[in-house]
Amino acid sequence: DTGVSQNPRHKITKRGQNVTFRCDPISEHNRLYWYRQTLGQGPEFLTYFQNEAQLEKSRLLSDRFSAERPKGSFSTLEIQRTEQGDSAMYLCASSPTGGAGEKLFFGSGTQLSVL
Amino acid sequence: GQQVMQIPQYQHVQEGEDFTTYCNSSTTLSNIQWYKQRPGGHPVFLIQLVKSGEVKKQKRLTFQFGEAKKNSSLHITATQTTDVGTYFCAGNSGNTPLVFGKGTRLSVIA
Repeated sequence: DTGVSQNPRHKITKRGQNVTFRCDPISEHNRLYWYRQTLGQGPEFLTYFQNEAQLEKSRLLSDRFSAERPKGSFSTLEIQRTEQGDSAMYLCASSPTGGAGEKLFFGSGTQLSVL
Repeated sequence: GQQVMQIPQYQHVQEGEDFTTYCNSSTTLSNIQWYKQRPGGHPVFLIQLVKSGEVKKQKRLTFQFGEAKKNSSLHITATQTTDVGTYFCAGNSGNTPLVFGKGTRLSVIA
């Protein structure tokens, strides 16, 4: 068990560029979540997957954001035409089955800075 | 939608003093979880409460879930410098994704 892995750890990009982040959940974990965290705030839910199916997307999530989990293992989060307001820590978390009340295992996150 | 509020936002204590953070939900929760995030780190699960009025202890940490399942608290007795970090509560109703509070950042002065 190597934990949840996220790459890259840091990403600096210019406004208007596209970025993609990757998350490798704990092996055999069926549920995968993406959260976003800004300084002084708690993690804010973005979207989640049960295996390869994307079950819910936050209403706050712009159409510039898209996430995939093609084979039910790793996931990618893409942000198109980045804006300065997208600067944040993007956290991935996984849980074994997605059952009610399961604890989340978080990765170390990808820190995005949009200049 | 569901909202989870935490107070205080910050707490500075002398080492050895007690600390309490409070969490309130706008809706009745199925369960509430508590996470700790060290400076520069990621949230790490501490505990889950499920039953109305439930109290759980982990060494110097005491967690409570309110009778109405809409509020919770975390109390740390005799804080230590290792307790420094931000404590988040997070709750959900049924099988919905966890909604996190903004957290309480604890500083401990040695």
